[in-house]
Amino acid sequence: DTEVTQTPKHLVMGMTNKKSLKCEQHMGHRAMYWYKQKAKKPPELMFVYSYEKLSINESVPSRFSPECPNSSLLNLHLHALQPEDSALYLCASSGGRGTEAFFGQGTRLTVV
Amino acid sequence: GQSLEQPSEVTAVEGAIVQINCTYQTSGFYGLSWYQQHDGGAPTFLSYNALDGLEETGRFSSFLSRSDSYGYLLLQELQMKDSASYFCAVVPSGNTPLVFGKGTRLSVIA
Repeated sequence: DTEVTQTPKHLVMGMTNKKSLKCEQHMGHRAMYWYKQKAKKPPELMFVYSYEKLSINESVPSRFSPECPNSSLLNLHLHALQPEDSALYLCASSGGRGTEAFFGQGTRLTVV
Repeated sequence: GQSLEQPSEVTAVEGAIVQINCTYQTSGFYGLSWYQQHDGGAPTFLSYNALDGLEETGRFSSFLSRSDSYGYLLLQELQMKDSASYFCAVVPSGNTPLVFGKGTRLSVIA
């Protein structure tokens, strides 16, 4: 199984809502990532988890809160987002050597 | 810091060959990867070069010159389905995440 599964595929939320994005992989990868991608732009790194511990936070606002419940799961909790946070949110995993990252299909988030 | 340069757009004819170049300036360098992303889809891994030279995978090949901080992706026998964005990405060190270039939008025309 070389899949990274993300749910939901689409999400519309208001600025006062709380929602969560979920990501799951069963490849035994110990590194998992959240990226944000705006239209016609490259993916921008948000967070890195290595062995279930947060190792990199790219100065992401606190309205985004990551969580890694176990080695297969990665969540991104969203609260009080702004319309400019609307984007494609991608989860990825890798074996840790950084050579090949597997991406999920992403959650297309719209903040209204 | 990290900086990767690649052309923003390339157009090529079906059946032709196209080369997408990537130059990089990074504080560390472990290898160069290439990813393909169709509109609305996720990036998918195409190739990885850690050493100088050419790596071939079917219609796609990737080249790296570490001394020139340069690499390219070569796509042969272009098909319409190859129309997508192509990102070069640097692996700064063995356990750090990818740093992506801005992407090259390839349009294959009949």
